Amino acid sequence: AQSVAQPEDQVNVAEGNPLTVKCTYSVSGNPYLFWYVQYPNRGLQFLLKYITGDNLVKGSYGFEAEFNKSQTSFHLKKPSALVSDSALYFCAVRETGFQKLVFGTGTRLLVSP
Amino acid sequence: DGGITQSPKYLFRKEGQNVTLSCEQNLNHDAMYWYRQDPGQGLRLIYYSQIVNDFQKGDIAEGYSVSREKKESFPLTVTSAQKNPTAFYLCASGAGTMNTEAFFGQGTRLTVV
Repeated sequence: AQSVAQPEDQVNVAEGNPLTVKCTYSVSGNPYLFWYVQYPNRGLQFLLKYITGDNLVKGSYGFEAEFNKSQTSFHLKKPSALVSDSALYFCAVRETGFQKLVFGTGTRLLVSP
Repeated sequence: DGGITQSPKYLFRKEGQNVTLSCEQNLNHDAMYWYRQDPGQGLRLIYYSQIVNDFQKGDIAEGYSVSREKKESFPLTVTSAQKNPTAFYLCASGAGTMNTEAFFGQGTRLTVV
């Protein structure tokens, strides 16, 4: 069965610095990978996805993610963090042939002024 | 205004009562999902449906029931058999293909009083 791990409960970064939120996955077949963001008491908003092709995926609000098949990782990155990026971030995976979308436990990003 | 609508936003239930959470979408999506969110546990899949009149159990289906009589609607009933129902419930929908993202509603916070 597919699974996702987000090893950090919280990531702290200063505004203007680059940020990375880590995600590793486990699937038997080819993965479809997604990143979402959640603000307090709200639903999840889609940021970006990896389906196939270029390993560097660009998404909304200046975020990007790098797919690494050998390390089974899909880390979320942003070159310059904003205070408004502070939120809860979820990585998710869907495995070829399965409709289930499985989420990680989430990483809280805190960007300080 | 297209999207997914969950209602109510807040719901209080007495122990022993069944309650139904509403989820409606006007995105013409085939697939719909229900997730439960608890602090530190991420999103866990309760039920999902890929087509009208069909649905499958997710990872934590015990104590919950669903129906999918219309494409637009996927209500979730939290029964008295669910021992710990207090949580944030999220409904999502998607096109039903492997490479498409899910879109989320704003959630319903259920509290047992």
